[in-house]
Amino acid sequence: QKEVEQDPGPLSVPEGAIVSLNCTYSNSAFQYFMWYRQYSRKGPELLMYTYSSGNKEDGRFTAQVDKSSKYISLFIRDSQPSDSATYLCAMSATNAGKSTFGDGTTLTVKP
Amino acid sequence: DVKVTQSSRYLVKRTGEKVFLECVQDMDHENMFWYRQDPGLGLRLIYFSYDVKMKEKGDIPEGYSVSREKKERFSLILESASTNQTSMYLCASSLPTGHGYTFGSGTRLTVV
Repeated sequence: QKEVEQDPGPLSVPEGAIVSLNCTYSNSAFQYFMWYRQYSRKGPELLMYTYSSGNKEDGRFTAQVDKSSKYISLFIRDSQPSDSATYLCAMSATNAGKSTFGDGTTLTVKP
Repeated sequence: DVKVTQSSRYLVKRTGEKVFLECVQDMDHENMFWYRQDPGLGLRLIYFSYDVKMKEKGDIPEGYSVSREKKERFSLILESASTNQTSMYLCASSLPTGHGYTFGSGTRLTVV
């Protein structure tokens, strides 16, 4: 059983839709949670990071962490074709520690 | 613009060759990491380093070694390349803040 499970997708939505991307985890020591976006044939780029439970908003993106349920989500509002990419969740137990990644969800936003 | 630079985007090597993958960061980050990414398997940690001349094994270190002689440079070495090491290799660096990694663009290695 993997420590981090991510909804596999693929996900296809029309432009302007609200997108929900989700991960669950089993290691209760995880405290730091990250979301990355990866375009085809590129390295992942950091979108958002959060510490412990709660919400964090950055423009059209909102990250949610529910540590009691061991569940994290990334919401994308008013999705755009340029949001089409693979999204990776990642988490770590310490601020200096190695991250464990989900397998990624591929999102396509159709014009 | 801060950067993690991987020396090659594409490499083709023969079975049994010794392969060096180089990674340089210009952000004065303490932490550096090597992952490989394969379809269906996600990102898997090979080795990481929290300081110069220091290294720690990740989840799949077999067949690999690393070198960190300077803070900005972290090299991954495939001692004797095999076909099952064909993969996308990603280098990353970070500060010890929990604020995530900066990744390089990746090296797609094919071993024939």
